[in-house]
Amino acid sequence: EAGVAQSPRYKIIEKRQSVAFWCNPISGHATLYWYQQILGQGPKLLIQFQNNGVVDDSQLPKDRFSAERLKGVDSTLKIQPAKLEDSAVYLCASSLTRGRSNEQFFGPGTRLTVL
Amino acid sequence: KQEVTQIPAALSVPEGENLVLNCSFTDSAIYNLQWFRQDPGKGLTSLLLIQSSQREQTSGRLNASLDKSSGRSTLYIAASQPGDSATYLCAVRPNAGGTSYGKLTFGQGTILTVHP
Repeated sequence: EAGVAQSPRYKIIEKRQSVAFWCNPISGHATLYWYQQILGQGPKLLIQFQNNGVVDDSQLPKDRFSAERLKGVDSTLKIQPAKLEDSAVYLCASSLTRGRSNEQFFGPGTRLTVL
Repeated sequence: KQEVTQIPAALSVPEGENLVLNCSFTDSAIYNLQWFRQDPGKGLTSLLLIQSSQREQTSGRLNASLDKSSGRSTLYIAASQPGDSATYLCAVRPNAGGTSYGKLTFGQGTILTVHP
């Protein structure tokens, strides 16, 4: 079974530029999560999708971050414009459903450096 | 608001030692607790998941315990090996419904180095 795929693996941009990350979850997984992991910290949930609907985006900085999952499969996370403090690893995870007993499987992450 | 803390932040031990990693959480209304391993440049790999009704889980050289009432969990690694070197994260899932359903709150991790 293929795992969660993410691209690109690394990205370096100047501040005020825009950037987009892509995630392909495990086939058949209805729930998709984007996490931000700043160096030395644990991952923090940014947004959670159930199929193509947003369940929780309470910690997403909506003035610069946006995410979509149009067909309930792949998802993109965009930052526009980027700030220095956005430097982090962005992890995508998926689970079968959003139930509490459903394990989340994580992708390798995209490491973003903002200069 | 749930807060998860891991102690120590970093640990360096010689090969063969037994070691304990600690995780504490402020809200005891959890559904389960999970321990993950993260290798440099990699995603998270689930190691052990303990349901709130359980006291411990074991997998090979790993043993995780849970004391929900005191808000604590420990991960015990027996006979450590250099290949165990990684960052270890604990995460809790709330018992609540609504938008918190399924949401994981992570600690900041313990960086473990096992030297030969």
